[in-house]
Amino acid sequence: SQTIHQWPATLVQPVGSPLSLECTVEGTSNPNLYWYRQAAGRGLQLLFYSVGIGQISSEVPQNLSASRPQDRQFILSSKKLLLSDSGFYLCAWSRLRQGTYNEQFFGPGTRLTVL
Amino acid sequence: KQEVTQIPAALSVPEGENLVLNCSFTDSAIYNLQWFRQDPGKGLTSLLLIQSSQREQTSGRLNASLDKSSGRSTLYIAASQPGDSATYLCAPYNQAGTALIFGKGTTLSVSS
Repeated sequence: SQTIHQWPATLVQPVGSPLSLECTVEGTSNPNLYWYRQAAGRGLQLLFYSVGIGQISSEVPQNLSASRPQDRQFILSSKKLLLSDSGFYLCAWSRLRQGTYNEQFFGPGTRLTVL
Repeated sequence: KQEVTQIPAALSVPEGENLVLNCSFTDSAIYNLQWFRQDPGKGLTSLLLIQSSQREQTSGRLNASLDKSSGRSTLYIAASQPGDSATYLCAPYNQAGTALIFGKGTTLSVSS
């Protein structure tokens, strides 16, 4: 079976500090990977998605970036955090698009608070 | 731009009731649609995926329907239980089939 991990679970960082959130998937190969953010009072918003190693698409311009150094590893980064970066960050995966089967599965999330 | 609305925003019912959660979306040219539940402070659990060619999907006490022409999906929960208390999220895929577009959810509270 497939498992998705995220760490850390919670993080408190000062404004202007760097950020690195990690997501790994087990039990599958060549997954599509996604980063979403859930800000207080708002719906989940897609930040980045990746269809393969080194292939990143950004949905929302901001001071965040994503990388995929390995097939099942997805990293969300920032050089300098803003207060508005606070939120609940969720990583998700889906199988490669084969026909219409592309159900997304989510990780446990990382709660980020920027002070 | 796809927009998703879920009504009601919150719902409280006694245990045993059957209930319907509503989801509407502005762009009917969707790929598939997925329903999730989210417990407080937790990630999302996938409940049902309705493919664009389907009209409904069932899993246990849950039944989700999809009417693309009217831009609506409903999640029917039969014989609700306190363990069903959570936020339920509706998310159609965008036209490219690469990203889910989420509503703000319906927060359900089932009392015993």
